[in-house]
Amino acid sequence: GENVEQHPSTLSVQEGDSAVIKCTYSDSASNYFPWYKQELGKRPQLIIDIRSNVGEKKDQRIAVTLNKTAKHFSLHITETQPEDSAVYFCAASLIDTFSGSARQLTFGSGTQLTVLP
Amino acid sequence: DTGVSQDPRHKITKRGQNVTFRCDPISEHNRLYWYRQTLGQGPEFLTYFQNEAQLEKSRLLSDRFSAERPKGSFSTLEIQRTEQGDSAMYLCASSPLRGSTEAFFGQGTRLTVV
Repeated sequence: GENVEQHPSTLSVQEGDSAVIKCTYSDSASNYFPWYKQELGKRPQLIIDIRSNVGEKKDQRIAVTLNKTAKHFSLHITETQPEDSAVYFCAASLIDTFSGSARQLTFGSGTQLTVLP
Repeated sequence: DTGVSQDPRHKITKRGQNVTFRCDPISEHNRLYWYRQTLGQGPEFLTYFQNEAQLEKSRLLSDRFSAERPKGSFSTLEIQRTEQGDSAMYLCASSPLRGSTEAFFGQGTRLTVV
């Protein structure tokens, strides 16, 4: 089965600096890679995702890059703000060709990001 | 419809007791997933349904765990003869069959086995 590793487990940055979180996956068949943000005591929420036919995707201060050959993908947050402080999870999945829907997600172990004011 | 709803939010039970959790997905979401999350870890997949059919079960899911989605709407997850190692947050998520790959999570049921 799929295995996702995530690094670092904790990350502290100064407000305004950039943060980078990296993940690797094992199953070359995986073709969908979402990132979830989980604030303390709250549900995980999708912040950005990327499919394997794309190498990079941006949404305002957040970007994700994917290297299919090396089987790794990264989350980049620029101009960090205190409200970015949370646990971030990467995940990998397979999108059914017929339905266009993703199967179950395999998550990394999470990165606790702290943005210091 | 404000999102995925789970009940109860918290459950404390004695070892050996049975517990049942309920998940109400977003309306018209065909797929429903159960995950388990322990402190400091990412959610671990347990099982998922497409409508009423249970399509996949994790090898982590022992015989004491059973899940149902009888009418393709809400789902229940039952744990029989609970053990202390079952203490965790049980998360439910749903997604549409077509049009979006996003899985929407509920707030979870926190189980404590004493």
